[in-house]
Amino acid sequence: AQSVTQPDIHITVSEGASLELRCNYSYGATPYLFWYVQSPGQGLQLLLKYFSGDTLVQGIKGFEAEFKRSQSSFNLRKPSVHWSDAAEYFCAVGADDKIIFGKGTRLHILP
Amino acid sequence: ETGVTQSPTHLIKTRGQQVTLRCSSQSGHNTVSWYQQALGQGPQFIFQYYREEENGRGNFPPRFSGLQFPNYSSELNVNALELDDSALYLCASSLDQLETQYFGPGTRLLVL
Repeated sequence: AQSVTQPDIHITVSEGASLELRCNYSYGATPYLFWYVQSPGQGLQLLLKYFSGDTLVQGIKGFEAEFKRSQSSFNLRKPSVHWSDAAEYFCAVGADDKIIFGKGTRLHILP
Repeated sequence: ETGVTQSPTHLIKTRGQQVTLRCSSQSGHNTVSWYQQALGQGPQFIFQYYREEENGRGNFPPRFSGLQFPNYSSELNVNALELDDSALYLCASSLDQLETQYFGPGTRLLVL
């Protein structure tokens, strides 16, 4: 069965520092992959998605993610975080007509 | 702003009651999915409707049911509420089944 693992429950980085959030998935074929962000009390906003093609995907708000088939990973990166990036981040895999979400990584930003 | 709206924003019910949550999708979106997000967890897929028919279901019992209407609105119904049903319920609409999903702000349900 397909699954998504986000190994880091919390991550804290300083404002202006670089960021990488990890995501590993389990699925027999090439899945559709997504990263969503959720601010407190808000719904989910799509940051980026991978369906096929170039394995480095650019998203909104300066985020990017790289699909690595050999590692079954789809890590999210940002070169320089801003205080407004503090939120919960969810990786998700789309397969078999449904989307499976990871448990999320909460990002904290130090001033 | 995704164009997906949900009502009500908050709801309090008691165990054993029934609840109906509503979602209005983006115009033209044929697919609506419903998710349950418990506190501190990721969203869990409940089911998906495509052109008014159920098109996929997660590990939720039959007391969770839904409807999708031709006017791009949909409902999630939960019967015989249990305490563990307390969660944020999210709907998401998309043009097609695995196209980008646009989420509403959610309905927070508290079961006492």
